[in-house]
Amino acid sequence: GAGVSQSPSNKVTEKGKDVELRCDPISGHTALYWYRQSLGQGLEFLIYFQGNSAPDKSGLPSDRFSAERTGGSVSTLTIQRTQQEDSAVYLCASSPLSGQPQHFGDGTRLSIL
Amino acid sequence: GIQVEQSPPDLILQEGANSTLRCNFSDSVNNLQWFHQNPWGQLINLFYIPSGTKQNGRLSATTVATERYSLLYISSSQTTDSGVYFCAVEPRDSSYKLIFGSGTRLLVRP
Repeated sequence: GAGVSQSPSNKVTEKGKDVELRCDPISGHTALYWYRQSLGQGLEFLIYFQGNSAPDKSGLPSDRFSAERTGGSVSTLTIQRTQQEDSAVYLCASSPLSGQPQHFGDGTRLSIL
Repeated sequence: GIQVEQSPPDLILQEGANSTLRCNFSDSVNNLQWFHQNPWGQLINLFYIPSGTKQNGRLSATTVATERYSLLYISSSQTTDSGVYFCAVEPRDSSYKLIFGSGTRLLVRP
């Protein structure tokens, strides 16, 4: 596709449920990033992939958060046993290589009831 | 870690006015990007500008890396310029993650 695609665009779920968020990067981009935007914390880095490997997972808030990337393309961010503080917009970005301009998707708005 | 500060936090302009947004950062960086987040939440790339000056239509940006700041100029503002403008930097020791400032919220009135 022409840009970074994220799904779903909106997700409402009950506290304690697991959720999966999907990111489809721009074709040919080897670097993929996840960020979170919340009212209290602004825009914060979560995790970075170069190909299928994640050299830096330092931004993941807790062990309930995990991410994977397969085939050097699509990535999924999984949040287990969701809590209300997980409510935020989760943004995915990609770039041809790390250190090059990052292009963002429209995000997934996650609401935990 | 590196700190990114943007000013002003809020700005209200009359359509047609010019403005300057500032981004200060506390340490050396590899790169700097400016984004516009429109009212629908989309983050739009404006500039990738580690140093020097770039122009794109009514917008231009200047980064002075040695003095650790960047400026975004908006001329002849339009209502569609409304939204939040973010500055984000790539730290020298982790040049893959973007560290964002808290943004400048701009409202352009007709």
